[in-house]
This record gives sequence, structure tokens and C-alpha cells, in this order.
Amino acid sequence: SAVISQKPSRDICQRGTSLTIQCQVDSQVTMMFWYRQQPGQSLTLIATANQGSEATYESGFVIDKFPISRPNLTFSTLTVSNMSPEDSSIYLCSGKTGEDTGELFFGEGSRLTVL
Amino acid sequence: GQNIDQPTEMTATEGAIVQINCTYQTSGFNGLFWYQQHAGEAPTFLSYNVLDGLEEKGRFSSFLSRSKGYSYLLLKELQMKDSASYLCAVKDSNYQLIWGAGTKLIIKP
Repeated sequence: SAVISQKPSRDICQRGTSLTIQCQVDSQVTMMFWYRQQPGQSLTLIATANQGSEATYESGFVIDKFPISRPNLTFSTLTVSNMSPEDSSIYLCSGKTGEDTGELFFGEGSRLTVL
Repeated sequence: GQNIDQPTEMTATEGAIVQINCTYQTSGFNGLFWYQQHAGEAPTFLSYNVLDGLEEKGRFSSFLSRSKGYSYLLLKELQMKDSASYLCAVKDSNYQLIWGAGTKLIIKP
């Protein structure tokens, strides 16, 4: 199985500030994704992180609010910009190997609380 | 629209069997996943079904009926550590994962 490391694991942030979450994957991972999981809700895909180019965002998510970088195959960052209390959530980095099942592996998650 | 339905919460007794159902309406189908998520932790992969029938893996089994848009996860010989949320997810025709809200399973002694 693939190994995905994510940091910070949790943070408390002030309204209006920005926070960058880092994700490191092992070499088996070919695709990387960023998800959000709000309390008691399902996982929502924010974007697919593309190596060396702009991320592909899902409906309702924009680059200005959630800039994403993936400078190489094994590293990506997600920034939550100009945070508001509505951004309080768990942010999960995930990756997929080239296996047929397309099983997703997840990082430990970053729990953000915005005051 | 695309929709995944699963019960919000279930309670079962240690040592017993529990079945968690998932029904889906999606634009196309390219496989169904079950994930386990303990509180405060990341989801971990349990099973993948792409053909009709039952897939057994130890104490856990997953069933799929594509014609009915239905799957279930069967957990046998329940242990306290099985207390977790169980997430159903379907890969649609664009190979996008559509996630259910999860079923919180509470195991009582």
C-alpha cells in the first residue's frame, strides 16, 4: 500500500489568515487529490493536483481560495486562503497508484479550526 | 443528480453480525468501494466490487447488485474496534468517486 504523510495534523487559525497544508507521498502514487470532510458529512473532492501545472478544480472550488501546487510527483500543498469559520474542516490528501482497482490512499488529515 | 444513500447510524452487539446497506444513483458505474474511518483518522480501504456478487475478505464481505444499484457491507464476529464510520463510494462513468455520507457503527459489549 502507498504511504501518505500530511502536516500539520491540526491547527487553530484566525479569520482572514491563510494556512498551507503539505502532503508527501511515496513513489507508488501516480495521482494526488485534495478532499474536504466537514463534520458528519461525506468527503468532497476539492481538486486533482497535477504535477507541474495548475490543479483541476471541482465545481464550487476556485484557485484563489484553494491554491494547490504539485512541483513533483511526490509532493503537493493545499493553501486555504483568507479563512473564515466556514472553512473549519478536515482536509485530506489522497493518492492513487496505477492499480486497476483505483483504490485511494489517504493521509492522516489536517483538522483546521477557524476562529 | 448523483446520489449515494446509506444509513446515518447503526448499533450492534459485540460478536454479532451487522449489514450496512448502500444504494446509489449515478451517471454510469465503474466500481464501488467501501472504506472504514475511525474517529479522527483517515479513511482506509476495505473492499472494491465491480461485478455482481459477494466478495469475502476475512470477517468482512461486500456484495454488489448493479441492476438494483445496491451494495452491502457485512461484518461478522463484531469486535469493539469495528466501531467506526463506513463510507460507500461509487466510481461514475467519468471515473470520479461519489461518496456517501457514511454510516456510523456503534458496537456495544
